[in-house]
Amino acid sequence: NAGVTQTPKFRVLKTGQSMTLLCAQDMNHEYMYWYRQDPGMGLRLIHYSVGEGTTAKGEVPDGYNVSRLKKQNFLLGLESAAPSQTSVYFCASSYSLTFNEQFFGPGTRLTVL
Amino acid sequence: DAKTTQPTSMDCAEGRAANLPCNHSTISGNEYVYWYRQIHSQGPQYIIHGLKNNETNEMASLIITEDRKSSTLILPHATLRDTAVYYCIAPYGSARQLTFGSGTQLTVLP
Repeated sequence: NAGVTQTPKFRVLKTGQSMTLLCAQDMNHEYMYWYRQDPGMGLRLIHYSVGEGTTAKGEVPDGYNVSRLKKQNFLLGLESAAPSQTSVYFCASSYSLTFNEQFFGPGTRLTVL
Repeated sequence: DAKTTQPTSMDCAEGRAANLPCNHSTISGNEYVYWYRQIHSQGPQYIIHGLKNNETNEMASLIITEDRKSSTLILPHATLRDTAVYYCIAPYGSARQLTFGSGTQLTVLP
């Protein structure tokens, strides 16, 4: 069991470039989440998904898009990267919304120059 | 939303119990309290959760006051590997979103 994996681990972008972060889970979890964590701060929810083909906005969704075409994958896209999106991005999954034990991936460090 | 308040930092001697407090005075009757921790640069890790009763698992114990306005996470025998930021969270909303505040930086000292 790999749990939650994230690709890539590190990335440097120039302003205006686009990229997609991939999150994969092998626990057959229904729910998946994308968070960002800025230095010295807690995690903030960007988008989440309650099942294949469904997504919803979290606390800080602007500048990001997501897709959940397969149950095990949750993609986070940056269409036109900005320096304010420099952050560490964490993906998580859970099998229940009411029992909120979320399993987190190792994170992706993104720098936008 | 139930807002939680935690001290910014705490120290604990290795081998001693670490007691991490959390205030959640606005929590509603059906809201659980969750504890996560984040070891430097890693993804957060679930520790324990509770509603009314005290809870214990292999990692920690959770003591919730009778009025549910505060709770304490107890690591019975802290080790250096327990050095981390500990988050006390009361999920809210229809999506039961986890809101990670600043947490408590616990440093276990040798």
